Amino acid sequence: GQQVMQIPQYQHVQEGEDFTTYCNSSTTLSNIQWYKQRPGGHPVFLIQLVKSGEVKKQKRLTFQFGEAKKNSSLHITATQTTDVGTYFCAGHTQGAQKLVFGQGTRLTINP
Amino acid sequence: DAGVIQSPRHEVTEMGQEVTLRCKPISGHNSLFWYRQTMMRGLELLIYFNNNVPIDDSGMPEDRFSAKMPNASFSTLKIQPSEPRDSAVYFCASRQAGGAYEQYFGPGTRLTVT
Repeated sequence: GQQVMQIPQYQHVQEGEDFTTYCNSSTTLSNIQWYKQRPGGHPVFLIQLVKSGEVKKQKRLTFQFGEAKKNSSLHITATQTTDVGTYFCAGHTQGAQKLVFGQGTRLTINP
Repeated sequence: DAGVIQSPRHEVTEMGQEVTLRCKPISGHNSLFWYRQTMMRGLELLIYFNNNVPIDDSGMPEDRFSAKMPNASFSTLKIQPSEPRDSAVYFCASRQAGGAYEQYFGPGTRLTVT
């Protein structure tokens, strides 16, 4: 079945450093979504990417969808303590209605 | 909108007892998903419904787990009998038909089976 792998599993950075998490799917995706889960909270939708090679920005967050639509990345510039949490990618294959989630990257930050 | 509502928020029960988790999706959303989250296995999809009909229950771990959606505004996930390995956070999420297919998660139910 479809698998979505996400690396790294954990990342600890100093406040102000950049952070990147990578997502790879075993199959071509029709779209990919990113979610953030704060400690003790629930996943919250951040963004969806649909087009091959698409790049979207939300303030300090940059999301990219690969040309082959099998990989994606989330980059945070100059991390802040509010960025702490676990970031999940999740993908749909064509015609599928269920999202397959990656294992998540847990980001911790030293202030 | 109040968002997805789940109850109870915390449940502690003894092994062998029946547990029922409840979910009220966002009004107007026609898809509902039940997930389980543990440190070891991450976020797993258990079952999802479209228009109150179960579509894919391949993630339901065993016959001890069952889910129902009697109407568009209510769903239950039942575990009978419960076991310690069922301890996890259970999330319900809903989604609107069409559009961006983003899912809205509820706050979750933290289940502890002793």
